[in-house]
Amino acid sequence: QAVLTQPSSLSASPGASASLTCTLRSGINVGTYRIYWYQQKPGSPPQYLLRYKSDSDKQQGSGVPSRFSGSKDASANAGILLISGLQSEDEADYYCMIAHNSAWVFGGGTKLTVL
Amino acid sequence: EVQLVESGGGLVQPGESLRLSCAASRFTFGTYTMSWVRQTPGKGLEWVANTKQDGSEKNYVDSVKGRFTISRDNAKNLLYLQMNSLRVEDTAVYYCASFDNWGQGTLVTVSS
Repeated sequence: QAVLTQPSSLSASPGASASLTCTLRSGINVGTYRIYWYQQKPGSPPQYLLRYKSDSDKQQGSGVPSRFSGSKDASANAGILLISGLQSEDEADYYCMIAHNSAWVFGGGTKLTVL
Repeated sequence: EVQLVESGGGLVQPGESLRLSCAASRFTFGTYTMSWVRQTPGKGLEWVANTKQDGSEKNYVDSVKGRFTISRDNAKNLLYLQMNSLRVEDTAVYYCASFDNWGQGTLVTVSS
């Protein structure tokens, strides 16, 4: 079982909100980790969006709009990236990451389609 | 604006070596853990290696242990990845990254 699991794709309409999940493997407690989120568009490197551990331990990437926000669902052992007011330019691949045992571990990515 | 610029990629045959470099500017390089992350075209991200701020600790993904070596020169704001005994499956775009800044990447192709 992968350490981090993301749905492979998600579709949402312009103006709507999209909730992207990053589920941690059983036995790895989401409460322990900062969850990092990245956006990648075709032909470009990943861009840092934000990190979230708790409401008192979070960071927005430089220049990242406030409509991108992070949270957790402890019951689902998952990190969440919420994108509100979806725009066509938000169409991209989104990756979550944690620092686990001195390594970075990435989720498989979610392809967000805005249509 | 922070700049991380990778170089050194190219086409090599299996078993050969390459050394990647990453030059950092407008960036407090010495205060960051730095990583190399790779991405096979059309696929996801795979962390390869990292080195702590002072270079005292280095970590590697299992598939490159014993073949790749990460190093850094904080005086020159440079990060390196020495890749030996390259395999076809090492083919990827290699990114130099801190957690919040990434370079544009350099393509490594291993093929006979």
